[in-house]
Amino acid sequence: DTAVSQTPKYLVTQMGNDKSIKCEQNLGHDTMYWYKQDSKKFLKIMFSYNNKELIINETVPNRFSPKSPDKAHLNLHINSLELGDSAVYFCASSPSEGAGNQPQHFGDGTRLSIL
Amino acid sequence: GESVGLHLPTLSVQEGDNSIINCAYSNSASDYFIWYKQESGKGPQFIIDIRSNMDKRQGQRVTVLLNKTVKHLSLQIAATQPGDSAVYFCAALANQAGTALIFGKGTTLSVSS
Repeated sequence: DTAVSQTPKYLVTQMGNDKSIKCEQNLGHDTMYWYKQDSKKFLKIMFSYNNKELIINETVPNRFSPKSPDKAHLNLHINSLELGDSAVYFCASSPSEGAGNQPQHFGDGTRLSIL
Repeated sequence: GESVGLHLPTLSVQEGDNSIINCAYSNSASDYFIWYKQESGKGPQFIIDIRSNMDKRQGQRVTVLLNKTVKHLSLQIAATQPGDSAVYFCAALANQAGTALIFGKGTTLSVSS
């Protein structure tokens, strides 16, 4: 009955590879997000989608491409992985775009380690 | 742009004490604020939120105070317990289309028994 679930929980891969992280929410929310948390625990928004439409695209390299097949899913594909991509990536969802004065609910994160 | 900062990166308290975690924000257009708790290996968990038309909001053992004049908010935890040990984040949002929730850097709360 997990509200926001991400897979995989851990991802260890070589530099230069392409990988994907999947996210699903069963809360019926309209908006989904991807955040990156660095080694100092700083959380920064990467993307947000509202009803499958891209709303926020912060300054993120175009090697990162989000895909939302439906409003319950927001996957993150990363091409040509670099050492600096090592971080924990969190998916989140909220009832409406811009949080709309509603809190975002987070998954438990995907820890990406680049060798 | 908005920046959100926490005053202390770490806070150590004894079990049973009250804890106060402070946060400052820069954007006067911010009108919604959230406190999150993040335990090791988990995602941020919602604790309490407050809208800019309020100065204070109380939950179970937690109180959030908002001072819009000095752009400051605080999280008070009453009778802190070992299970409260975690990293606490404040986050701020300006309720405009296309804006993002901005997180502060986090305060690590350590509770010793």
